[in-house]
Amino acid sequence: QVHLVESGGGVVQPGKSLRLSCTASGFTFSNYGMHWVRQAPGKGLEWVAVISYDGNYKYFAASVQGRFTISRDQSKNTVYLEMNSLRTDDTAFYYCVKQTATNRFFDYWGQGTLVTVSS
Amino acid sequence: QSALTQPRSVSGSPGQSVTISCTGTSSDVGTYDYVSWYQHHPGKAPKVMIYEINQRPSGVPDRFSGSKSGNTASLTISGLQAEDEADYYCCLYADTFPVRFGGGTKLTVL
Repeated sequence: QVHLVESGGGVVQPGKSLRLSCTASGFTFSNYGMHWVRQAPGKGLEWVAVISYDGNYKYFAASVQGRFTISRDQSKNTVYLEMNSLRTDDTAFYYCVKQTATNRFFDYWGQGTLVTVSS
Repeated sequence: QSALTQPRSVSGSPGQSVTISCTGTSSDVGTYDYVSWYQHHPGKAPKVMIYEINQRPSGVPDRFSGSKSGNTASLTISGLQAEDEADYYCCLYADTFPVRFGGGTKLTVL
């Protein structure tokens, strides 16, 4: 059974940093690309970033480009989202998402972790 | 690149059918069949209901179906049930990033 468990959310001041973690189980982690998707309060889903199965390519939404980085530790079955220079509009639930191997859609989502950027 | 366009809300009575549209352009939805649909109950993890326009993952009831015409993809839910009340998002995962979501549609079962 696939499980994705996010952690690391919390309250942080504007301009500060935060690192989210997502620990995966129930599948061969190193075979799949992983994404982060967020949902601001009262808003819709917004794709944030992707890291390929081998970590060799990474892409980011324009809204976080240059401020966020994504990485993965295959030995720990964990993907990270390092968020720097946080802004109030980064406040959101952040979901860790697994994509399928051969199809372009998301088959499993975590429960999400809340990041609140506020002074 | 803007979000795909969905109606903000739709509603229907139990047993009826509803259709949620997802409109893009000839360069995105009109070109690619990598449109998926996600059901999101507040406080829960989103769940894929349809992928590649009209493919249903195992375990998803056949009351859920997808289609595409021109630049618009659609999700149809037939035989509405109370538990179908949720937010629904279309998603396009094309050849280039970013992955794009629609603005979301709130389905109310009357």
